[in-house]
Amino acid sequence: GESVGLHLPTLSVQEGDNSIINCAYSNSASDYFIWYKQESGKGPQFIIDIRSNMDKRQGQRVTVLLNKTVKHLSLQIAATQPGDSAVYFCAENIKGGATNKLIFGTGTLLAVQP
Amino acid sequence: GAVVSQHPSRVICKSGTSVKIECRSLDFQATTMFWYRQFPKQSLMLMATSNEGSKATYEQGVEKDKFLINHASLTLSTLTVTSAHPEDSSFYICSARGYSYEQYFGPGTRLTVT
Repeated sequence: GESVGLHLPTLSVQEGDNSIINCAYSNSASDYFIWYKQESGKGPQFIIDIRSNMDKRQGQRVTVLLNKTVKHLSLQIAATQPGDSAVYFCAENIKGGATNKLIFGTGTLLAVQP
Repeated sequence: GAVVSQHPSRVICKSGTSVKIECRSLDFQATTMFWYRQFPKQSLMLMATSNEGSKATYEQGVEKDKFLINHASLTLSTLTVTSAHPEDSSFYICSARGYSYEQYFGPGTRLTVT
């Protein structure tokens, strides 16, 4: 079935440290991956994406790494700030019939300690 | 960036009644809209995919007669939860996609069935 978590793993970091959030995806045919940030009571917010023909992509303070061999995705956040505290989800784009659809991972709660 | 709105943001209804949630793309034409459900501390679970003017495609295990989806225009999709029960209480999130891969998410609707 689809990825649904019964609980959220938590990553606790100190303000200013770098954070690394990991994700395992399920479908080797997935061609596009996205990281989302979700704050409590809000919808997901796009952070960064990467296509399957790349293995690294950098944003302003974030980097996404893709390892297709082991179907692993990671999000690195540099100099983590209290405002980064949220739940982070990876999502993979899967072709579902005529329409592509996103399947979300279980999520990781990032708690930034001041 | 592209904006997706949902209405209402919160709704409380009595068991056995129906409730409609609207999802609108405000500044782009959404050829495809998606509906997700999210229980506390869990991931987003895709319920259905709808293309404008076509019947929605439901994910396995989602009752199409209970969750009615209408995508009558390129800017509006509605989800109607019929004969709602307390177990339908959840956070419902829509997303919309235009002519690219990227999906834009709405802010979510908190449904509480009493």
